[in-house]
Amino acid sequence: EPEVTQTPSHQVTQMGQEVILRCVPISNHLYFYWYRQILGQKVEFLVSFYNNEISEKSEIFDDQFSVERPDGSNFTLKIRSTKLEDSAMYFCASSGEGYYEQYFGPGTRLTVT
Amino acid sequence: AQSVAQPEDQVNVAEGNPLTVKCTYSVSGNPYLFWYVQYPNRGLQFLLKYITGDNLVKGSYGFEAEFNKSQTSFHLKKPSALVSDSALYFCAVRDHNAGNMLTFGGGTRLMVKP
Repeated sequence: EPEVTQTPSHQVTQMGQEVILRCVPISNHLYFYWYRQILGQKVEFLVSFYNNEISEKSEIFDDQFSVERPDGSNFTLKIRSTKLEDSAMYFCASSGEGYYEQYFGPGTRLTVT
Repeated sequence: AQSVAQPEDQVNVAEGNPLTVKCTYSVSGNPYLFWYVQYPNRGLQFLLKYITGDNLVKGSYGFEAEFNKSQTSFHLKKPSALVSDSALYFCAVRDHNAGNMLTFGGGTRLMVKP
């Protein structure tokens, strides 16, 4: 069964550093998403991406965040200058045309020290 | 704005007994509703959805959920719980007039005891 994959599973970085989280969505899906979950809190929407552009973003997704689909398979989330409060589990998801459910990857745990 | 409430942090049931995990929602338009399950060190796994039509929807692993518009609820149910059902369950809503963004509840930990 096709799955969304994410790398790395755990990333530790120092405050102020740039990080790139990587995702490979399900191959025939057209909609891509990033969500995050700070420890002990709800899963929160960050951004959705369709047809090579951002279609929605939340208030969390400020100028320090960016997304890119650099090739036909990868979907990345970049955080330019990490802050302590960016420490969270980041989930990538994808969905297909005509399908309502989103399929999630296993997550990348980001720890900012 | 859309929101989801899962009023129970944890639900405990004995194996073989029926289980219910509660969810209520708030959206301005018509809701699309979803249940996801998370096992340790795994991502969110889709269980079932309500989009339109029959209020009782069936999903994976014998789970079902009932959409109740008047009570704005979408409770997850299973007639006979298994120990392997023990996991974290998330309810999510999407307003069909407001893009694809999912809003999640806080999650309910289901513990099924032998």
